[in-house]
Amino acid sequence: AQSVTQLGSHVSVSEGALVLLRCNYSSSVPPYLFWYVQYPNQGLQLLLKYTTGATLVKGINGFEAEFKKSETSFHLTKPSAHMSDAAEYFCAVSGSGGYNKLIFGAGTRLAVHP
Amino acid sequence: ETGVTQSPTHLIKTRGQQVTLRCSSQSGHNTVSWYQQALGQGPQFIFQYYREEENGRGNFPPRFSGLQFPNYSSELNVNALELDDSALYLCASSLVSSGQETQYFGPGTRLLVL
Repeated sequence: AQSVTQLGSHVSVSEGALVLLRCNYSSSVPPYLFWYVQYPNQGLQLLLKYTTGATLVKGINGFEAEFKKSETSFHLTKPSAHMSDAAEYFCAVSGSGGYNKLIFGAGTRLAVHP
Repeated sequence: ETGVTQSPTHLIKTRGQQVTLRCSSQSGHNTVSWYQQALGQGPQFIFQYYREEENGRGNFPPRFSGLQFPNYSSELNVNALELDDSALYLCASSLVSSGQETQYFGPGTRLLVL
């Protein structure tokens, strides 16, 4: 079985500050991990994904995440927040193989203040 | 833009009615997945179709059914609507050839059941 826990349903940062959104996962098989962003009244946009290989993954809009197997974590970071980063962020896990359903966390709403 | 479209964007139905939601996948994608996102929650997997056959199902009752067509379109049908079916319904398409493939989400259909 697989599950995702996102710590903090709401995170608030100042513009220019570090963004850190936390994600911990549980998986009985080697996980594939994803971060998606959802802007108001829109669908989900892929920020980045980890499948195999390098554990530090770079995504779009300056975001990156590091897969830490020992900590079962996949935290999302961005060095300097921008007002346009305000959105809902979802961490997701899936297994390998053709049947690749995504298991999502409950989401973290990021607010960015001037 | 993910190349995945959904229709309609919004829909209002009454309890007990039936509804059909439509999705147009990216050209060439052989897999479509449907998710239900209740207000304030992460998306939950409903089912997945691969080459027009159901390829996995989440914890949803049989009144949730689907179809996938050769022209990269698909449908989600829900019978005997209940108030709790009110949610954003997302479809995601992917090309499953070997291992995990990225799922690209449409903008969603927001269903309100009164």
